[in-house]
Amino acid sequence: GESVGLHLPTLSVQEGDNSIINCAYSNSASDYFIWYKQESGKGPQFIIDIRSNMDKRQGQRVTVLLNKTVKHLSLQIAATQPGDSAVYFCAVSSQGDYKLSFGAGTTVTVRA
Amino acid sequence: NAGVMQNPRHLVRRRGQEARLRCSPMKGHSHVYWYRQLPEEGLKFMVYLQKENIIDESGMPKERFSAEFPKEGPSILRIQQVVRGDSAAYFCASSPGDSGTGELFFGEGSRLTVL
Repeated sequence: GESVGLHLPTLSVQEGDNSIINCAYSNSASDYFIWYKQESGKGPQFIIDIRSNMDKRQGQRVTVLLNKTVKHLSLQIAATQPGDSAVYFCAVSSQGDYKLSFGAGTTVTVRA
Repeated sequence: NAGVMQNPRHLVRRRGQEARLRCSPMKGHSHVYWYRQLPEEGLKFMVYLQKENIIDESGMPKERFSAEFPKEGPSILRIQQVVRGDSAAYFCASSPGDSGTGELFFGEGSRLTVL
């Protein structure tokens, strides 16, 4: 099965600084990677995703980097804002397996 | 367009009672997934269903838990004879299912408290 782990359970960042959240996965057959944001009392919300044929993808203020050699995934948030405070999860799935396997989550706290 | 709808949002049960959680997928989605989240933890896969079929139930406890997704109506996650350890947030997600791996769209969750 797939094992997904995060490097740090918590991250405190000054408002306006950049945030980087890291994630490692175990299955070299993983081909789809996604980041979700979960605010307190709510369900996970899509942030950005990337497939294994890419190594970088950018969205609005967010960038996902994929390093398949070391099975590492990161989420970068530019100019972090108070509204970015939440728990961030990485999730992966493998070809032929529709379900997503989630990491434990990183709690991001933005300091004013 | 309505997203994934789950109800009830909060449910309190006493030990030994039954809990039924309902999930209506997004319009046009035929694949439903149930995940469980314990406090301060990530989401753990329970079961993956298509209409009238259970595709993967590898994350479901062998006893007391069952899931269905009938031809008509919402998907139901049923927990019989609940115990305190069943207290958790249960999330439903859906996908179109016609394009392989991809984003799952999550509901707001049902929070079960067992007294």
